[in-house]
Amino acid sequence: AQSVAQPEDQVNVAEGNPLTVKCTYSVSGNPYLFWYVQYPNRGLQFLLKYITGDNLVKGSYGFEAEFNKSQTSFHLKKPSALVSDSALYFCAVRDNNQGGKLIFGQGTELSVKP
Amino acid sequence: KAGVTQTPRYLIKTRGQQVTLSCSPISGHRSVSWYQQTPGQGLQFLFEYFSETQRNKGNFPGRFSGRQFSNSRSEMNVSTLELGDSALYLCASSFGTDENTEAFFGQGTRLTVV
Repeated sequence: AQSVAQPEDQVNVAEGNPLTVKCTYSVSGNPYLFWYVQYPNRGLQFLLKYITGDNLVKGSYGFEAEFNKSQTSFHLKKPSALVSDSALYFCAVRDNNQGGKLIFGQGTELSVKP
Repeated sequence: KAGVTQTPRYLIKTRGQQVTLSCSPISGHRSVSWYQQTPGQGLQFLFEYFSETQRNKGNFPGRFSGRQFSNSRSEMNVSTLELGDSALYLCASSFGTDENTEAFFGQGTRLTVV
């Protein structure tokens, strides 16, 4: 069965410092991986995706993610965090057996302090 | 380009009642998926529709149903509401059904069952 794990419920970072939000996955076949962000009382906003090709994927708002096949990881990164980056982040993988279905991790709360 | 629109944004219903939620996808998108978000269970897949046909269904009881119209708009219905159905219901649309296609989410409908 396909699955996604986000090992940290919360990540705390000082503004200006680099941030990393971790994600590991388990899939059969090719992994199609996504990152989404959710602000309070809002839906999910798409940040970036990995399909194939370069292991470093660049996305919206200065975020990037590094795909590592040997470690089955897809960590979200940003070189310099902003207070406005504080939100809930979800990693997701497509269920290769069920078309458009996304399987989400449990989410990581990112808190960036000034 | 308008995003995914979900109506209503907020709903309060009584146990035993039924409710219908609506989702208008991004123009040109033909695939619509529904997810339930709760603090305890996280994001859970409900169902996916493409060209008025249900392609996939999540592990929810038969009280949860949905449909898609010829203009790609979708509705989901929950009958005989239970307290545990209180959640944020999110709709997502995508252009097609390829696994590498990202999904775009609406702001959700917050359902409270009392």
